[in-house]
Amino acid sequence: QQQVKQSPQSLIVQKGGISIINCAYENTAFDYFPWYQQFPGKGPALLIAIRPDVSEKKEGRFTISFNKSAKQFSLHIMDSQPGDSATYFCAASRWSNTGKLIFGQGTTLQVKP
Amino acid sequence: DTGVSQNPRHKITKRGQNVTFRCDPISEHNRLYWYRQTLGQGPEFLTYFQNEAQLEKSRLLSDRFSAERPKGSFSTLEIQRTEQGDSAMYLCATAAGGELFGPGTRLTVL
Repeated sequence: QQQVKQSPQSLIVQKGGISIINCAYENTAFDYFPWYQQFPGKGPALLIAIRPDVSEKKEGRFTISFNKSAKQFSLHIMDSQPGDSATYFCAASRWSNTGKLIFGQGTTLQVKP
Repeated sequence: DTGVSQNPRHKITKRGQNVTFRCDPISEHNRLYWYRQTLGQGPEFLTYFQNEAQLEKSRLLSDRFSAERPKGSFSTLEIQRTEQGDSAMYLCATAAGGELFGPGTRLTVL
C-alpha cells in the first residue's frame, strides 16, 4: 500500500516535444505529490509539487495533472530541451510530514536536439 | 548548491570497516531526513529527526546503522561492519516548505 509506481522507465523525446511521465499511488492517506529532477552525481531537486485539492498545477514548462479518483498523477514537460535530459522521480507523502517520501522508480528522459 | 552539504562526497571502504557520513543542513530547518539510493532506483527513506530527536526509523535501517543529530544541527550516519550490499548513495534532506536534498555521499564497499 506504500508503493508509488512510475512509468515509463525511459523516454526519448525530440527537442520541442512534450514529455509525459505517469505515476500511480495506492495509499489514499497521501496528500502531497512532488516531482524531482536528478542529474548524474547530484541529489534530487524539487521541480514542482501538487496537493489533491487541485487537478492541475503549472510552473513554466512543467505541469502536474492530478486525478484523485484514479490515484494517478503525471508530469508534462512542454517544449522539451536537451538540458531537461535527466532522471525524473515522482513521490508521495503526507502533508504532515512532507520529507518522508515514497519515491517512484524513476524515468530517464533523453531529449534529442 | 542547495544549502545542504554532505561529506565526504565519495567513500570507498573494505567490507567489515565502519564508516561515518555527515550532513550539514540549513540551520533553521528543524526536520532532517536520511535516504539511501541504489543505482537505477528512487531514494528510500531511512530515518528522520525533528530537531535532535530521532522520530522514525525504517526497517531498512538495520542494527549496523546508527544516526545522530546532536543539538539539532548537523547529523551523522554511521554504518558498522559494512557489507557490499551497503554500497549506495546516501542522501540527506531537510524539509521546510519544499524538500532540499544534499548532493549525497556515494559509498562503495569492496
